[in-house]
Amino acid sequence: QVTLRESGPALVKPTQTLTLTCTFSGFSLSTSGMCVSWIRQPPGKALEWLALIDWDDDKYYSTSLKTRLTISKDTSKNQVVLTMTNMDPVDTATYYCARTTDYSENFDYWGQGTLVTVSS
Amino acid sequence: QSALTQPASVSGSPGQSITISCTGTSSDVGSYNLVSWYQQHPGKAPKLMIYEGSKRPSGVSNRFSGSKSGNTASLTISGLQAEDEADYYCCSYAGSAYVFGTGTKVTVL
Repeated sequence: QVTLRESGPALVKPTQTLTLTCTFSGFSLSTSGMCVSWIRQPPGKALEWLALIDWDDDKYYSTSLKTRLTISKDTSKNQVVLTMTNMDPVDTATYYCARTTDYSENFDYWGQGTLVTVSS
Repeated sequence: QSALTQPASVSGSPGQSITISCTGTSSDVGSYNLVSWYQQHPGKAPKLMIYEGSKRPSGVSNRFSGSKSGNTASLTISGLQAEDEADYYCCSYAGSAYVFGTGTKVTVL
């Protein structure tokens, strides 16, 4: 079955760079049509899509955050990595990774999420 | 992209039907038949309930249905049950990007 799991630091300081890893199983990012996205949710607030990487290594970013985000993949390890630079307290959120496909454009499987707090 | 607009809250009694609206623009909801809906219980990850506007994934109750008219998509829950109490989010493909809705808290009275 398809599973995803996020990992990374629970606490980062303002101005630092956040690196999150999504480790998945049950599908391959070398399969045509497969994609993985990062989505975040500040406490008590709505979901926000951040970035997507597809099987062909094409990358897409939220317009409002694209200068701070980098998404990459390691197909051999079944991992997708998101880095976000210049972290601020407003970036405090639960960060999710989710699978999608480029023919259905929905998020059909999600990780459990990882809470990242930005504080000095 | 600006967030899609949803009502902050909707409530109903067990057995009733409720509808949640999701209003976007001609650049997202209006341009693509690619609206999805997610259910989120407190402390849990979102769960896909509807995709491509009106399709249900395997295992999702047929009490959940979706539709779209112009720039507005809708999720209807019929035969409301206590377990349906949760937050619901719409999401639309917007051409190389995705935009989520503001979220709706559904309360079962």
